[in-house]
Amino acid sequence: GESVGLHLPTLSVQEGDNSIINCAYSNSASDYFIWYKQESGKGPQFIIDIRSNMDKRQGQRVTVLLNKTVKHLSLQIAATQPGDSAVYFCALYTGRRALTFGSGTRLQVQP
Amino acid sequence: SQTIHQWPATLVQPVGSPLSLECTVEGTSNPNLYWYRQAAGRGLQLLFYSVGIGQISSEVPQNLSASRPQDRQFILSSKKLLLSDSGFYLCAWSWTGGETQYFGPGTRLLVL
Repeated sequence: GESVGLHLPTLSVQEGDNSIINCAYSNSASDYFIWYKQESGKGPQFIIDIRSNMDKRQGQRVTVLLNKTVKHLSLQIAATQPGDSAVYFCALYTGRRALTFGSGTRLQVQP
Repeated sequence: SQTIHQWPATLVQPVGSPLSLECTVEGTSNPNLYWYRQAAGRGLQLLFYSVGIGQISSEVPQNLSASRPQDRQFILSSKKLLLSDSGFYLCAWSWTGGETQYFGPGTRLLVL
């Protein structure tokens, strides 16, 4: 079955630095991946997605990298800001009409 | 644009009482709808999903049930709440056949 894991439960960075949040998955049949941001007391917010036929995708200040060989996904946030403080979840889709979510990484941005 | 609403925002209920949480989506037709539960500091657990009116799939056997009486309305219910039902309940929607899910603001439920 699918499983998704996070390398670090909490990541603390200085404001202005780049952040890298990692995610490992086990199901090689996964063909679509999403990163969500969840602020305290709110629902998850879509950040960026990537399909399995891509290695990299860029958005505004965010980049997602996919390494299918080692089943690893990462989210890079450039010039991290205090508003980026939140829990970040990776999620993967395997065609069962549902997403499998990781347990999340808390990003803390220090001023 | 599409919006998703959930209410109530917070709820405190005694053990053994019934539950009804509501989710509605605006700005789309025939969406897929989902109910998730999130325990404190944890990931999301899919409870139910629906691809159409009256069509409900359950992912995890539990004390809860779901119904979809209208195209853009999804209801989570329980006849008798347990302490273990406490958590943050999230409703989400996706386009028909779509993969990306968009979440509502959530309902925080505390069962005492």
